[in-house]
Amino acid sequence: GAGVSQTPSNKVTEKGKYVELRCDPISGHTALYWYRQSLGQGPEFLIYFQGTGAADDSGLPNDRFFAVRPEGSVSTLKIQRTERGDSAVYLCASSPMAGANNEQFFGPGTRLTVL
Amino acid sequence: LAKTTQPISMDSYEGQEVNITCSHNNIATNDYITWYQQFPSQGPRFIIQGYKTKVTNEVASLFIPADRKSSTLSLPRVSLSDTAVYYCLVGDLRHGSGNTGKLIFGQGTTLQVKP
Repeated sequence: GAGVSQTPSNKVTEKGKYVELRCDPISGHTALYWYRQSLGQGPEFLIYFQGTGAADDSGLPNDRFFAVRPEGSVSTLKIQRTERGDSAVYLCASSPMAGANNEQFFGPGTRLTVL
Repeated sequence: LAKTTQPISMDSYEGQEVNITCSHNNIATNDYITWYQQFPSQGPRFIIQGYKTKVTNEVASLFIPADRKSSTLSLPRVSLSDTAVYYCLVGDLRHGSGNTGKLIFGQGTTLQVKP
């Protein structure tokens, strides 16, 4: 079956611009996560959705970052007034939220470069 | 979530068994031990999870001693395609009871398999 997809795969933008990154989770998965990964580091948690609501946004670095999931499926991560330090790979993961192990299925990521 | 310590890098040769040990001295009673694998330009992929003793699946084995303060991921007869970063994660990943299931990644172990 289809896995988690993310678009675009690459995004190059200029400092100060606004960007949107999209995540299509696996159908039926109610839990959705966004992570950010800098070069040479492990992924860093940003935000978690259970259904349509953001159940945990403690990882968002500041108020320039915002994410939505209006219908409980597709999610969009929005970054305002981008800065060079926002350059990273943004990963989305989904989980069926059943069972103890909470295996998360990751997408390939969107590589964001802020010039 | 318990802090984990694992080697930054390891080298191996094709056909060898590789063991990656992770220390987690502060593991809590409800914590599980989970390993993810990440290939370049891809999102992490769940490999295996365990609570105690030994767990084996088609990809790897996970050995957990009685005190659970460490764990060892064992990859049998590695091939070049096993070259990746391996992350050890410890935590109560179950949804509910206030848990969001978010994953906290460290730097991981970069495994390089040579011909």
